[in-house]
Amino acid sequence: QLQLQESGPGLVKPSETLSLTCTVSGGSISSSSYYWGWIRQPPGKGLEWIGSIYYSGGTYSNPSLKSRVTISVDTSKNQFSLRLGSVTAADTAVYYCARQPTAIVSLDYWGQGTLVTVSS
Amino acid sequence: QSALTQPASVSGSPGQSITISCTGTSSDVGSYNLVSWYQQHPGKAPKLMIYEGSKRPSGVSNRFSGSKSGNTASLTISGLQAEDEADYHCCSYAGSSTYVFGGGTKVTVL
Repeated sequence: QLQLQESGPGLVKPSETLSLTCTVSGGSISSSSYYWGWIRQPPGKGLEWIGSIYYSGGTYSNPSLKSRVTISVDTSKNQFSLRLGSVTAADTAVYYCARQPTAIVSLDYWGQGTLVTVSS
Repeated sequence: QSALTQPASVSGSPGQSITISCTGTSSDVGSYNLVSWYQQHPGKAPKLMIYEGSKRPSGVSNRFSGSKSGNTASLTISGLQAEDEADYHCCSYAGSSTYVFGGGTKVTVL
C-alpha cells in the first residue's frame, strides 16, 4: 500500500525558509506514471495547490507562489522536497504531499499532513 | 489564478440528495473537463471522490456523482448518510500544468 509521509520543522521564523520532505513508501517515485505534488491548507480555510514535480525533475508551480517555491526530487531516497522562501504568517498551514497520476488528473494518495507555523 | 467559488455550507437530512456547486471561469472549469472532488473529515487528509468531472475511483460509493455545465461543476450526494458529513473541495486544471482549488464546502447532515 502506497504511503506518503511529510517531515520537517513545525515552527519557522518570519522571513526564513520553510523546508519539508515527503517520503514515499510502497511504490517508486521514479515511475513515469506520476507527478508528485504539494498542497497546503491554512487553518480553517480551503486547499491551495503549491506545485508538482516529475521524477525527472520537471516542476510546475502555482503562479502566486512561484517566485518563492522550489521543489526537488531525490530518487535514490524515494523522496521529494519543498522549499518556500521569505515566509510570513500567511504561510502558516497544514502542508500535504500527494501523488498525481499522469493518466487521471487528480491527487489520489495523500500524506497525513504536517502543520507548519510561522512565528517569531 | 483565482480560487474556485463554492458555497460555504450545504445541509440535508438523511436519505436526501444535496448538490455542491463549484464555479470557475472559462480559463479553468469551462475549458477542461478536469474537475476533481475531495472529501475531508476533520483532522484528516483529503480523499479523492471524483476525477475528470464525473469518474469515481474504485471503492467510492455510487451515491457520489459529478457533472459540469459551462463554468460550473457540481458534486451530488444522493441518499445522504451521517458519514457523509465532511468538508468537500473541488479542484480544476487551469492550463499550463497548474491547478486551482475551491474554498471548500461544509456538508452537514441534519
